[in-house]
Amino acid sequence: DQQVKQNSPSLSVQEGRISILNCDYTNSMFDYFLWYKKYPAEGPTFLISISSIKDKNEDGRFTVFLNKSAKHLSLHIVPSQPGDSAVYFCAASNTGNQFYFGTGTSLTVIP
Amino acid sequence: NAGVMQNPRHLVRRRGQEARLRCSPVKGHSHVYWYRQLPEEGLKFMVYLQKENIIDESGMPKERFSAEFPKEGPSILRIQQVVRGDSAAYFCASSSTGTGVYQPQHFGDGTRLSIL
Repeated sequence: DQQVKQNSPSLSVQEGRISILNCDYTNSMFDYFLWYKKYPAEGPTFLISISSIKDKNEDGRFTVFLNKSAKHLSLHIVPSQPGDSAVYFCAASNTGNQFYFGTGTSLTVIP
Repeated sequence: NAGVMQNPRHLVRRRGQEARLRCSPVKGHSHVYWYRQLPEEGLKFMVYLQKENIIDESGMPKERFSAEFPKEGPSILRIQQVVRGDSAAYFCASSSTGTGVYQPQHFGDGTRLSIL
């Protein structure tokens, strides 16, 4: 049972434009959400997180939005850079221990 | 490099052999997590350990798989009598805190296990 879903396996964006990656979840008890970035042959690298008491968290070019009523979160990257090309995973937790990961979205930023 | 260290990076085993995957967490982290990633899939939680204790093993297959995190030394994920379906990337993560205090997990670069 996939509790965290990323329905877009891939996304292509022109350099300088905004990248929007989406994630949906089914468990209303989730209260901590994260985004990870993964390059081939490497482990995931933590990008940004948000707790359920907030609806937005920003860190430089990366902003995460949380819509609890829709059980939806998104990651905005602006402006997108070629080095952002990677697979992005969203993850959610309600205990801080077990994190449920989506299947990932492969982002390609075209120079 | 003070990050999570996993070894080996690549491991090849024949069906029926044992696979041992090692994970040294970030220095000072006492919480370790193992995940498995099958081709074209996301990361699946397997087990969460603290020093000398298994906290949550709800994602571990009931047979052939075991994990430990001894007082001294790395965490070990052991797969006995491997089968072709065990071929996957196994990632270890660590964090400084556990239940109730949300901190991101820091991942190693994984062990790619191939079963012949």
